[in-house]
Amino acid sequence: QVQLQESGPGLVKPLQTLSLTCTVSGGSISSGRYYWSWIRQPAGKGLEWIGRVYTSGSTNYNPSLKSRVTMSVDTSKNQFSLKLNSVTATDTAVYYCAREHFSGYDYYFDYWGQGTLVTVSS
Amino acid sequence: SYELTQPPSVSVSPGQTARITCSGDALPKKYAYWYQQRPGQAPVLVIYKDSERPSGIPERFSGSSSGTTVTLTISGVQAEDEADYYCQSADSSGTVFGGGTKLTVL
Repeated sequence: QVQLQESGPGLVKPLQTLSLTCTVSGGSISSGRYYWSWIRQPAGKGLEWIGRVYTSGSTNYNPSLKSRVTMSVDTSKNQFSLKLNSVTATDTAVYYCAREHFSGYDYYFDYWGQGTLVTVSS
Repeated sequence: SYELTQPPSVSVSPGQTARITCSGDALPKKYAYWYQQRPGQAPVLVIYKDSERPSGIPERFSGSSSGTTVTLTISGVQAEDEADYYCQSADSSGTVFGGGTKLTVL
């Protein structure tokens, strides 16, 4: 059974960089049929896709966040990471990491982490 | 990028049928997926490839597609189905979620 677990600071100061890591267990992050994604959800609001990273290190980002986002993968640790710079209060949200299955035209999230709340405040 | 539009809320009585729609210009060319999210929990996939149901999801959940609209149907709604539901679609350049629909079981 694949499991994902987010880790990182729960409080970040404005204009600093939010850094989160997702540790994958029960399966290899190097499997070729999955993207590794970050999704966030402000309190009381909907899901927002932040971006994805492939095992090769290639990335796709949400155009609205692209200028501030960097994602990477560490296959030796079975982890992938998110960095979001110049954060403001609007970046306060629960951040989820998730595995995105893909095959042809088929893309969906089959495993999710439990989510971690990140608050941006001084 | 493209958008997916859902109604903010749907209300039904127990035992009735709930229908939640998701509209988007790209949907005729892409599959849609549906997730159920209960308060304080991560989303769970309930429909994939427009109308397929993952193992472990009750048969009362079904999906359909017509043109630019996909629909999640929950037949014989139960109290435990009260949750937020999100549609999602994707391609090689990225993923988009609908705004979500809160299903209230009266």
